[in-house]
Amino acid sequence: NAGVMQNPRHLVRRRGQEARLRCSPMKGHSHVYWYRQLPEEGLKFMVYLQKENIIDESGMPKERFSAEFPKEGPSILRIQQVVRGDSAAYFCASSPLSGLYGYTFGSGTRLTVV
Amino acid sequence: SQELEQSPQSLIVQEGKNLTINCTSSKTLYGLYWYKQKYGEGLIFLMMLQKGGEEKSHEKITAKLDEKKQQSSLHITASQPSHAGIYLCGADIGGAGGTSYGKLTFGQGTILTVHP
Repeated sequence: NAGVMQNPRHLVRRRGQEARLRCSPMKGHSHVYWYRQLPEEGLKFMVYLQKENIIDESGMPKERFSAEFPKEGPSILRIQQVVRGDSAAYFCASSPLSGLYGYTFGSGTRLTVV
Repeated sequence: SQELEQSPQSLIVQEGKNLTINCTSSKTLYGLYWYKQKYGEGLIFLMMLQKGGEEKSHEKITAKLDEKKQQSSLHITASQPSHAGIYLCGADIGGAGGTSYGKLTFGQGTILTVHP
């Protein structure tokens, strides 16, 4: 039973390019969460999604960031026109029912903007 | 100030020693989750606590949540080099009307070094 799968593990983008981060939740999990870990900062919540629905996006920057979790396929975190400050580790977590059985995290995608 | 305070920030111990990491909130916690992170890697789930006074153990690691559900401790007995890493507490500190449904707040982490 594969865990939460994130790809790519490492992503390098030039300033102004788009970054697409993918997350496939654990089998049977229908809730997906994205977190960002900036250098020297803690892990910060970004967005909570269920299939085809954004439940809570209170942690998402207002511009350039978007997330989706389509009916089929992985959840996607999209960052448009990346800037150096977007360089961070982005983690995805999933759960079967929100919070009742804990949250399983993926290995993360480390985004470097050059 | 942090909503979730974790202490100490770093800890260096000799192999075989016991140690405790604390996680404190000024708000009642709906759930408290302990994770371990190796540098540059993902988070490994350790334990989940939800009830006041709850205590759970796995191998040499014990986690407790106080009766008021505002403080948790993680205790490692007879530490080993394999215990080294970053320990993170994450909590559901609730929102309007109750649980925050998956929006975990994390502490800053405790960096544990175990010398052989």
